[in-house]
Amino acid sequence: SAVISQKPSRDICQRGTSLTIQCQVDSQVTMMFWYRQQPGQSLTLIATANQGSEATYESGFVIDKFPISRPNLTFSTLTVSNMSPEDSSIYLCSVGQGRRETQYFGPGTRLLVL
Amino acid sequence: AQSVSQHNHHVILSEAASLELGCNYSYGGTVNLFWYVQYPGQHLQLLLKYFSGDPLVKGIKGFEAEFIKSKFSFNLRKPSVQWSDTAEYFCAVTSYNNNDMRFGAGTRLTVKP
Repeated sequence: SAVISQKPSRDICQRGTSLTIQCQVDSQVTMMFWYRQQPGQSLTLIATANQGSEATYESGFVIDKFPISRPNLTFSTLTVSNMSPEDSSIYLCSVGQGRRETQYFGPGTRLLVL
Repeated sequence: AQSVSQHNHHVILSEAASLELGCNYSYGGTVNLFWYVQYPGQHLQLLLKYFSGDPLVKGIKGFEAEFIKSKFSFNLRKPSVQWSDTAEYFCAVTSYNNNDMRFGAGTRLTVKP
């Protein structure tokens, strides 16, 4: 399985600001995914990031709010834009060879918006 | 709507007790099934998975799960839990009719020493 790191591990931000979360994988992977895990809840897929193409967003998530970059096969970023307290959550990246295949998860970024 | 249901929100057991966590899904067609575990302060880890073949799947740390197609279920079991099994357990499903991995709400397991 891949080794995945995320930066930052946690942050406290002011409303109206933006935070960019980085996800680094130790090997080349086809697909990277970004999830949100709100307090006490399960994981919700935000978007799928493929290298060389635009990210695919799930219902309820838009590019203006969560822009994603995927410059190569080992790295991706997720930006949480114009943050509000409702964005307080854990953001996780995961990797897999396909959307129906096993996914391996990073440690998550714990975000608190004041 | 297609969904994944975990009926037990919080389970409390004593050490050596047997465990069964329920997972049901509403997808039709061919599915891939997963159980992930999240230990306190740690990231999600794959416990076991089912793609095809023997419906009784063995995973790490003595866990197993049984896929019962007629019941749309993939329950997780362990014959004797340990204090170190205290964690959050998530069932997840992917299907050939859907492209993304759907997670259940999770079950928090507390094992008393």
